[in-house]
Amino acid sequence: GAGVSQSPRYKVAKRGQDVALRCDPISGHVSLFWYQQALGQGPEFLTYFQNEAQLDKSGLPSDRFFAERPEGSVSTLKIQRTQQEDSAVYLCASSFYSGGHDEQFFGPGTRLTVL
Amino acid sequence: GIQVEQSPPDLILQEGANSTLRCNFSDSVNNLQWFHQNPWGQLINLFYIPSGTKQNGRLSATTVATERYSLLYISSSQTTDSGVYFCAVRMNYGGSQGNLIFGKGTKLSVKP
Repeated sequence: GAGVSQSPRYKVAKRGQDVALRCDPISGHVSLFWYQQALGQGPEFLTYFQNEAQLDKSGLPSDRFFAERPEGSVSTLKIQRTQQEDSAVYLCASSFYSGGHDEQFFGPGTRLTVL
Repeated sequence: GIQVEQSPPDLILQEGANSTLRCNFSDSVNNLQWFHQNPWGQLINLFYIPSGTKQNGRLSATTVATERYSLLYISSSQTTDSGVYFCAVRMNYGGSQGNLIFGKGTKLSVKP
């Protein structure tokens, strides 16, 4: 497809379960970002990849959050032992160049609900 | 860190009215984007505008980087313009790998 895609669109997890969220960036885009959006707030940065290298993970809220992009294309955000405070929309964005100087394009997001 | 403030937080318009949304930021930036988040949560790119003025149909935007603000103009509003409008910036110096910093948004409701 032409845009950023994410799956699943909705995920319900019981507290303590592990979840994996997938992002397919726009083909050829070097930069990939993950953001977390709480209800009624703007998205907040989680982590950044330049190709397969994770250059910034300063926004990950705890060591239960882990992200990878092994081949420099598709990325997976994994949350272990989910907690209720993890409930949010997780957004993926990509841009053509490295460093974020250019326009970022967002996927539709995955809405995670932890019961 | 850099602060991004959007105003007004809420805006109710009658269909056909015009509006101006404002974004103030506290530090030098080299990337500024305006987004429309529709009721389904999709962030739609409106403008990539680190400086200058752009127009796209009924929408236009102006960024005055030296004075650290950007404006989004919506003319002849339609009910489909409803949603949340976000301004997002990237800092102009080291420490940032390019991530955008978002304001809290302006929630726009256009009534028929």
